[in-house]
Amino acid sequence: DTAVSQTPKYLVTQMGNDKSIKCEQNLGHDTMYWYKQDSKKFLKIMFSYNNKELIINETVPNRFSPKSPDKAHLNLHINSLELGDSAVYFCASSQDIGTSQETQYFGPGTRLLVL
Amino acid sequence: QQQVKQSPQSLIVQKGGISIINCAYENTAFDYFPWYQQFPGKGPALLIAIRPDVSEKKEGRFTISFNKSAKQFSLHIMDSQPGDSATYFCAASMEGETSGSRLTFGEGTQLTVNP
Repeated sequence: DTAVSQTPKYLVTQMGNDKSIKCEQNLGHDTMYWYKQDSKKFLKIMFSYNNKELIINETVPNRFSPKSPDKAHLNLHINSLELGDSAVYFCASSQDIGTSQETQYFGPGTRLLVL
Repeated sequence: QQQVKQSPQSLIVQKGGISIINCAYENTAFDYFPWYQQFPGKGPALLIAIRPDVSEKKEGRFTISFNKSAKQFSLHIMDSQPGDSATYFCAASMEGETSGSRLTFGEGTQLTVNP
């Protein structure tokens, strides 16, 4: 059983296109996140949702729009893709225990290549 | 502004040796310091974590040493094995008013353990 799953695993597309990445967790967690890992493997948080409500919105271009239809799903839609968007995008989830000690469980990642 | 600095960027160790990865943080409000391990093609996974009220935590071959006054913490891998070859990320988080934890990651260390 996959705890945090993402689709697609690979995404190759042209500049200017619009694409979506889907994430689902079956852990019953309240909070979900999107991270971007660049070519140097640096991990940076983009968004987090708690019970479908946007909690963290880091400095991310407006072309990126997260959507949470329910607390088990957090999708990422990207408009007008640019070369610099090429990266690995990770979804993660955690149980809201009210402290900073929540363990985040990461998905396998979506490798996006913009040509 | 990089709030968590990690070194070295890469590390090569012989099987059976000790691997040491260091991290330094700036924000004294951080109160939870996890280490994540990432294998190629996979998402990061929690390895071990520590709170600043203890100076050391050991789990099997993995030990975190924490120096609150110096704002530094390190991961020691004893008897390093080829299967430990991965990228290791230190991270830090703090309690806040929002739900979920906001992890700030270090830059990552690529560890290679030679047989």
